[in-house]
Amino acid sequence: GAVVSQHPSWVICKSGTSVKIECRSLDFQATTMFWYRQFPKQSLMLMATSNEGSKATYEQGVEKDKFLINHASLTLSTLTVTSAHPEDSSFYICSVRYPSSYEQYFGPGTRLTVT
Amino acid sequence: AQSVSQHNHHVILSEAASLELGCNYSYGGTVNLFWYVQYPGQHLQLLLKYFSGDPLVKGIKGFEAEFIKSKFSFNLRKPSVQWSDTAEYFCAVNERSSASKIIFGSGTRLSIRP
Repeated sequence: GAVVSQHPSWVICKSGTSVKIECRSLDFQATTMFWYRQFPKQSLMLMATSNEGSKATYEQGVEKDKFLINHASLTLSTLTVTSAHPEDSSFYICSVRYPSSYEQYFGPGTRLTVT
Repeated sequence: AQSVSQHNHHVILSEAASLELGCNYSYGGTVNLFWYVQYPGQHLQLLLKYFSGDPLVKGIKGFEAEFIKSKFSFNLRKPSVQWSDTAEYFCAVNERSSASKIIFGSGTRLSIRP
């Protein structure tokens, strides 16, 4: 399977600050990446679809001004949590879609703790 | 609304027992189906997938799943579980018309007693 990395793996920030999470596709160029969040002992919830060179498509209920997604290159997508609050604390996971396939490969996730 | 249901939230088995985890979906169109596994402290890994063809799909580590279109189901099975199968299992569905979005079920936690 494809190798997907995320950085950082764990971040702690203060309420009101912004945090940027990177997702990199190491094996191939990914035109489409996805961002999920996972609360403890719960499933993954799709937040948005990140398309290289265009605006991300957000799922219903996800604030696009709070969760800024940038997919500036074929190997990198970033998720910026702006003005973070404790309720944003969660596990954020990205995935990349294999070209011409429905398969997705997942990154190891980033644990965000907002104090 | 489109959804994926996993009816078993937590399953506890002894080693060598047989396993079946249920998954049902509600989508009207053609779907691709997946089972992912998340071992403690690790990231999601693909166990198996169904796109088309033989509805009985074999995956890694001795797992298999059967797609029954009439029942909108894609249950995961393993004839004899091991302690190392302790993990969280997620069923996931992609509707082919939805730009490859994958929607996940709520997950089933599998605990294996040694």
